[in-house]
Amino acid sequence: QKEVEQDPGPLSVPEGAIVSLNCTYSNSAFQYFMWYRQYSRKGPELLMYTYSSGNKEDGRFTAQVDKSSKYISLFIRDSQPSDSATYLCATFSGGYQKVTFGTGTKLQVIP
Amino acid sequence: EAGVAQSPRYKIIEKRQSVAFWCNPISGHATLYWYQQILGQGPKLLIQFQNNGVVDDSQLPKDRFSAERLKGVDSTLKIQPAKLEDSAVYLCASRLGTGSNYGYTFGSGTRLTVV
Repeated sequence: QKEVEQDPGPLSVPEGAIVSLNCTYSNSAFQYFMWYRQYSRKGPELLMYTYSSGNKEDGRFTAQVDKSSKYISLFIRDSQPSDSATYLCATFSGGYQKVTFGTGTKLQVIP
Repeated sequence: EAGVAQSPRYKIIEKRQSVAFWCNPISGHATLYWYQQILGQGPKLLIQFQNNGVVDDSQLPKDRFSAERLKGVDSTLKIQPAKLEDSAVYLCASRLGTGSNYGYTFGSGTRLTVV
């Protein structure tokens, strides 16, 4: 079993839709959760960084962590064509521990 | 603030040849990482440096891969000899510290094709 599971998609939605991206993880020691956006031929770019369970909102993006079910979500409101990218979830337990990434979900927002 | 610089951007080599990648992290970032990202997969950690010391190299194929970080700043990753399965994007990332408030900053990567 992979430590972090993520549906690779692709996910295609019309402009303005609400997008839900999800990951599950297996290691209960994971405390920190991140979402990265990766455009084609670019390195991943940090979008959201959360600690433990709860919600965090930043503009059109909301990250949600449910540690009881080991479930991580990213919601994008009013999706735009510029949101078309691959979204990677990532998690680690803290300190020097390595960050483990999901496989990424490819999102396409159609104008 | 300048980002993480990597070179070259692209490299095509034949199998059994050697190749080296270079990374210059953000100034002052003590922690540096090399990741391998195979097409359709998430990044996989190869090696993590704290200043010029290795913290984690458990997933580095040491029979063919080597990395160093001289003086705790720039880093090079070398593959010798390369195999077809080494075709991937090699990402360098740096981080100011290891506390909870510090995220990674990635470079644009080096896309390696082994033919």
